[in-house]
Amino acid sequence: DAGVTQSPTHLIKTRGQQVTLRCSPKSGHDTVSWYQQALGQGPQFIFQYYEEEERQRGNFPDRFSGHQFPNYSSELNVNALLLGDSALYLCASRPVQDFTSGGGTDTQYFGPGTRLTVL
Amino acid sequence: KNQVEQSPQSLIILEGKNCTLQCNYTVSPFSNLRWYKQDTGRGPVSLTIMTFSENTKSNGRYTATLDADTKQSSLHITASQLSDSASYICVVSVTSGGATNKLIFGTGTLLAVQP
Repeated sequence: DAGVTQSPTHLIKTRGQQVTLRCSPKSGHDTVSWYQQALGQGPQFIFQYYEEEERQRGNFPDRFSGHQFPNYSSELNVNALLLGDSALYLCASRPVQDFTSGGGTDTQYFGPGTRLTVL
Repeated sequence: KNQVEQSPQSLIILEGKNCTLQCNYTVSPFSNLRWYKQDTGRGPVSLTIMTFSENTKSNGRYTATLDADTKQSSLHITASQLSDSASYICVVSVTSGGATNKLIFGTGTLLAVQP
């Protein structure tokens, strides 16, 4: 059973370029979240996708957009890259919350991340 | 404002020693609290998860405690090993409407275990 996978592992871009990062969720998971983690900081929530729609969004500009496909995999797109976009981008997946259980033990599984460097 | 604060920011201990990491949160409504271990350049891996009614939970040499009244949690590592060197992140889940909860991440405690 494969866990969460992300591609590519590393990426180097220049300012103003566009980038697409990819994520395949853990088997049985249908909800995908994306996080940006700057060096020495905790992950910052970008957005979450469920049923191919953006369900929640963090405090990130519209340059950050995403997509979820019918097979639950997801893409994160960043346009007009800035130097400050350099970070580890994490994808996390989970099954849709079970309200009957109170959602108390839902666990997100993180992928290994994509290290983006903007020069 | 929902916040999660961790202390210390960094910690150096000798192999075999014990240590305790702290997490204070101001999050409402609270759903659960998790501790993650993150090796450098890798994704976080869940160590423990506790709901409102749980006071302590262990995972091998890792023991997490939760005081929901004071909104504090701790992660105790026993008989540390070199492989414990990592960042330890406290994450609090906020109950929200819709299908999913929102996660509030702490900035982590960077632990270095030296031989």
